[in-house]
Amino acid sequence: GQQLNQSPQSMFIQEGEDVSMNCTSSSIFNTWLWYKQDPGEGPVLLIALYKAGELTSNGRLTAQFGITRKDSFLNISASIPSDVGIYFCAGRNNFNKFYFGSGTKLNVKP
Amino acid sequence: SAVISQKPSRDICQRGTSLTIQCQVDSQVTMMFWYRQQPGQSLTLIATANQGSEATYESGFVIDKFPISRPNLTFSTLTVSNMSPEDSSIYLCSSLAGGPETQYFGPGTRLLVL
Repeated sequence: GQQLNQSPQSMFIQEGEDVSMNCTSSSIFNTWLWYKQDPGEGPVLLIALYKAGELTSNGRLTAQFGITRKDSFLNISASIPSDVGIYFCAGRNNFNKFYFGSGTKLNVKP
Repeated sequence: SAVISQKPSRDICQRGTSLTIQCQVDSQVTMMFWYRQQPGQSLTLIATANQGSEATYESGFVIDKFPISRPNLTFSTLTVSNMSPEDSSIYLCSSLAGGPETQYFGPGTRLLVL
């Protein structure tokens, strides 16, 4: 079956630094989604990407749908302490099935 | 988007008992899903809750262990039956909104089985 590889697994950065994480797949997806999960909460949708090559921003967050449709990245600029959490990518395939990455745990030092 | 609520938010249960988790969506949705997320792990799809018919289970999950109801387009329940400590996990409800392409999650139910 399809697999999503998300990296890095965890990051320790200083407040104010930029962050980049990505997901790659062995097969193509029609939609890429990025979520953030805070401790004790459900995943919250950050950005949705629907077209190959699409670049979308949400405040300090920017995500892109890779041209090959097999990858996506999420950038966070000028990180702040409330960016701490686990970030998940998810892809939707031709059969309307969603696959989730293993998550990137982000730690921000003030 | 969709606003999803779950009850209970957390519970501690004894092994051998069952717990039913409720999921309510603020609008009618065609598809609802149930996921399990074990500590420090990603999300694993348990089943798709189909309105008016039996749920569709993923490999490794069976109806006897995780019976699901979907009586209408805004509500679903998941029961974790005959629980063991291995069932300790976060259980998440989700739905598609804004078309088939975007999935929204509830806040989760944290289950601890002793």
